Amino acid sequence: NAGVTQTPKFRILKIGQSMTLQCTQDMNHNYMYWYRQDPGMGLKLIYYSVGAGITDKGEVPNGYNVSRSTTEDFPLRLELAAPSQTSVYFCASSPREYEKLFFGSGTQLSVL
Amino acid sequence: GQNIDQPTEMTATEGAIVQINCTYQTSGFNGLFWYQQHAGEAPTFLSYNVLDGLEEKGRFSSFLSRSKGYSYLLLKELQMKDSASYLCAVRDQDYKLSFGAGTTVTVRA
Repeated sequence: NAGVTQTPKFRILKIGQSMTLQCTQDMNHNYMYWYRQDPGMGLKLIYYSVGAGITDKGEVPNGYNVSRSTTEDFPLRLELAAPSQTSVYFCASSPREYEKLFFGSGTQLSVL
Repeated sequence: GQNIDQPTEMTATEGAIVQINCTYQTSGFNGLFWYQQHAGEAPTFLSYNVLDGLEEKGRFSSFLSRSKGYSYLLLKELQMKDSASYLCAVRDQDYKLSFGAGTTVTVRA
């Protein structure tokens, strides 16, 4: 069982560059989430999705975009990278809304 | 906004017991979760409490008092592999989940 798969694991971006963080899950979960984790801070919700074609903003959505065209995939797009987006990003999924979350292995992103 | 407090760091000896406290102030309450996160890895689910009382799962137990806005995670017979960060997360009346900053537990031989 793969669970939640995130790529890439590490990435360095220059200011103003764009990139997409990929996330896919094979558990047929309707609910998917993107979090960022900064040192000394709790996980902060960026965007979430309750099913294919439905997404909504979380606490810290500025500078990010998402799409959910299939149940399995929930990519996160950074359009114009800024140093404030340096963080560790986690994708997660759950069978029901905010129940036990299954996390991907994370992406460590640095914007320089 | 939601407010979830837990200690930043705790240190304990192998074989001992450690209790990690979590206090919360949220808009309503619909459950409290504990996650374990080893350094450089993803959080993994440990426990879920929605009613008052103690839930036991092997060496780990979690307690909840809704009237006090308080929970603790009890780790017994500590092992070196228990060195990790422990995250408290609370689901509010709108089913939104908020995480505490986490407690880093270091187990020493």
